[in-house]
Amino acid sequence: QKEVEQDPGPLSVPEGAIVSLNCTYSNSAFQYFMWYRQYSRKGPELLMYTYSSGNKEDGRFTAQVDKSSKYISLFIRDSQPSDSATYLCAMGVTGNQFYFGTGTSLTVIP
Amino acid sequence: GAVVSQHPSWVICKSGTSVKIECRSLDFQATTMFWYRQFPKQSLMLMATSNEGSKATYEQGVEKDKFLINHASLTLSTLTVTSAHPEDSSFYICSAQTVAVYNSPLHFGNGTRLTVT
Repeated sequence: QKEVEQDPGPLSVPEGAIVSLNCTYSNSAFQYFMWYRQYSRKGPELLMYTYSSGNKEDGRFTAQVDKSSKYISLFIRDSQPSDSATYLCAMGVTGNQFYFGTGTSLTVIP
Repeated sequence: GAVVSQHPSWVICKSGTSVKIECRSLDFQATTMFWYRQFPKQSLMLMATSNEGSKATYEQGVEKDKFLINHASLTLSTLTVTSAHPEDSSFYICSAQTVAVYNSPLHFGNGTRLTVT
């Protein structure tokens, strides 16, 4: 079983829709959770970083962590064509060991 | 803040030559830098972890004599692909973690697309 599971998509939504991206994991010791956005031929860009459980909001983005279910989510409100990218989840136990999902490809259609 | 600069962004080289890729943390000091390889439509594959002033730790299956990593300062790590072959063609990405904050997230460079002809 992989440490981190992420549906690769692709996911297509109309502009303005709410997007829900998810990852599940198997290691209950994970404490640090991150979401990255990666445009084609670019490096991943950090969107959200949370520690332990709970929600975090930044503009149109909301990250949720449910440690009891080993499930994390990223919500994008009022999605825009510029949000079209691959979204990677990442998580870790200690400070410098991280595990990545395979990424979900998102297309927001104008 | 937390900008990581990677250079070059793309490079084409002939088979048998060596290529050096630089990764710099511009506005923070990085104790640890990571090097990844990414194939099309796939996730990041960790190649090695480098800590400033010490030898890099390579992941299983990564040839350390082929992929030479040097982390000489808290702001610079380099990856040298030696005697490159077409199968080394890939997208290489570095990331860095700041020393200032324990358990800080990774910040990535923009990657280097290597094509070996």
